[in-house]
Amino acid sequence: DILLTQSPLSLPVTLGQPASISCRSTQSLYADGNTYLAWFQQRPGQSPRRLIYKVSNRDSGVPDRFSGSGSGTDFTLQISRVEAEDVAVYYCMQGKFWPYTFGQGTKLEIK
Amino acid sequence: EVQLLESGGGLVQPGGSLRLSCAASGFTFSNYGMRWLRQTPGKGLEWVSAISVSGDGTYYTDSVKGRFTISRDNSRDTLYLQMNSLRAEDTAIYYCARGPRGDVDLWGQGALVTVSS
Repeated sequence: DILLTQSPLSLPVTLGQPASISCRSTQSLYADGNTYLAWFQQRPGQSPRRLIYKVSNRDSGVPDRFSGSGSGTDFTLQISRVEAEDVAVYYCMQGKFWPYTFGQGTKLEIK
Repeated sequence: EVQLLESGGGLVQPGGSLRLSCAASGFTFSNYGMRWLRQTPGKGLEWVSAISVSGDGTYYTDSVKGRFTISRDNSRDTLYLQMNSLRAEDTAIYYCARGPRGDVDLWGQGALVTVSS
């Protein structure tokens, strides 16, 4: 199975400050003109919610302070200015190789 | 409102069976591939199974092959997961999800399955 490694696993951030989460894959996620890497947010007690698909496309309703970047095997989720509602666990997911796999999750907390 | 609503979770003994259902509403169910995923504190998020729009294509992660069966009824806007020969390691929150190839754009609220004697 494809391994996705996220870092850091714990991310204390001051309100209003930026945050960045890395996701590295053991193989390239590029195929058919697309790169199948998505980011999900899971707030406490809730189901996951997709934020970003195909590396950098933001879902409807997702604040523009969230952005995704990267290519091949290295990807990043950035939050430009962290707000209290961003407290959650963030997961990357690859959708190129079955079984599709998730990173371990990064827990963002307010410092 | 666009939503997925799972039902059928519960406590079952090892070796037992359970069927999860997922009722879709607010969108054209028959236009979407559907998935089952699960989450545990130890293994995190894991894809379990996926099914094509028409139902003729199904996919399973190795640990559930031969034990779980995914199916759908497009006339009832409902997705199913038949789980047989359940093991303790199948204990998890099971999520119904919708999405294009290799992706998930909508999750249900989850159904807890506990396998224990």
